[in-house]
Amino acid sequence: AQSVAQPEDQVNVAEGNPLTVKCTYSVSGNPYLFWYVQYPNRGLQFLLKYITGDNLVKGSYGFEAEFNKSQTSFHLKKPSALVSDSALYFCAVRDLNSGGSNYKLTFGKGTLLTVNP
Amino acid sequence: NAGVTQTPKFQVLKTGQSMTLQCAQDMNHEYMSWYRQDPGMGLRLIHYSVGAGITDQGEVPNGYNVSRSTTEDFPLRLLSAAPSQTSVYFCASSYEGRGYEQYFGPGTRLTVT
Repeated sequence: AQSVAQPEDQVNVAEGNPLTVKCTYSVSGNPYLFWYVQYPNRGLQFLLKYITGDNLVKGSYGFEAEFNKSQTSFHLKKPSALVSDSALYFCAVRDLNSGGSNYKLTFGKGTLLTVNP
Repeated sequence: NAGVTQTPKFQVLKTGQSMTLQCAQDMNHEYMSWYRQDPGMGLRLIHYSVGAGITDQGEVPNGYNVSRSTTEDFPLRLLSAAPSQTSVYFCASSYEGRGYEQYFGPGTRLTVT
């Protein structure tokens, strides 16, 4: 079975500082990994994904994430946070080896990022 | 493309009432899913479909029914609403070509009193 953990319910950073939102995963095979963002009263928007290739993935709005297979992590990062980055962030995983249901995504519980001016 | 659309945006039901949440996508995606979002619980999969005529249960299917008669539409039916079904419901579609990246609708906020 596949699972995702986001160990921090909330992350607070000052504007202009770097930010990291943590994600670890568990799969039996190779993972596809995703980050989504949800702004207040909105649906989820895709930020970036790792499927294969370079472990450093760049996505929308200046975000990037690093796939670390040995630590089973996929942390979301941004070099300089903006107040407008304040939102709820979800990590998700798909297990390529989960047989007939391998198109399903499992989501973490979400991390609320607050960027203070 | 409109993407994934959901109606209604808001709904209040009394316990025991039934209703259908509508979801449609115009991207010809094979896969569609329904999730519910509750505080501190993330997104939990209710039901999903791998194509017209094929549906299956997700993590929290009890109290919900789905059908998929066309590629475009994937309605979610609440058979007899309960307060525990108060939640925000999201429909999503995906296809293999982008690694099953999910495209989400705007959501339906449901309150059951």
